[in-house]
Amino acid sequence: GDSVTQMEGPVTLSEEAFLTINCTYTATGYPSLFWYVQYPGEGLQLLLKATKADDKGSNKGFEATYRKETTSFHLEKGSVQVSDSAVYFCALSAGGGSQGNLIFGKGTKLSVKP
Amino acid sequence: ETGVTQTPRHLVMGMTNKKSLKCEQHLGHNAMYWYKQSAKKPLELMFVYNFKEQTENNSVPSRFSPECPNSSHLFLHLHTLQPEDSALYLCASSPTMGDKRRMGTQYFGPGTRLTVL
Repeated sequence: GDSVTQMEGPVTLSEEAFLTINCTYTATGYPSLFWYVQYPGEGLQLLLKATKADDKGSNKGFEATYRKETTSFHLEKGSVQVSDSAVYFCALSAGGGSQGNLIFGKGTKLSVKP
Repeated sequence: ETGVTQTPRHLVMGMTNKKSLKCEQHLGHNAMYWYKQSAKKPLELMFVYNFKEQTENNSVPSRFSPECPNSSHLFLHLHTLQPEDSALYLCASSPTMGDKRRMGTQYFGPGTRLTVL
């Protein structure tokens, strides 16, 4: 079945460091791909998404490119801030009869130190 | 967006209690979801409702009973829970399923932190 694998955390970085969180997926058909973020004490928020191969999603300085050839959707940010500390979830939308349903990775906790 | 609310935010209950979690969305969406988030485990989809009809039940034990009286409200009724049911329960909503452009964009509430003693 469809699945998402993302790098285990926690990830600890200093402010202004470069961030990469790896995400790979397994899916039939042509899923849409997402990054969600969960700040402490809150629910998940959509960070960015891409709906087809080679699309780049971007938001708040974060970027991810839908790579069909490597089945990847890695999250990057050039310079992280303390306020980026959160848990990041990679997800894909299942196709077929479960249109709209999301399959999530386990989440990667990011801590940014001043 | 903060259009999805959940109450209560925290709940402690004994194994013999009956309680209900409430979710309300003010976004005009027609699909609503219950998820369970446990430590060190992936987010688990529990139930999906589309236009008030349950379209998915991911083998959830019968001690969890969902109810969706209309497209804006979703409940999760709890009875005779086990300690391993302690988790953060998240509600989400999304635009009408089948709209590929917006498919997968779900809006989450803040969750109810449930502790079963």
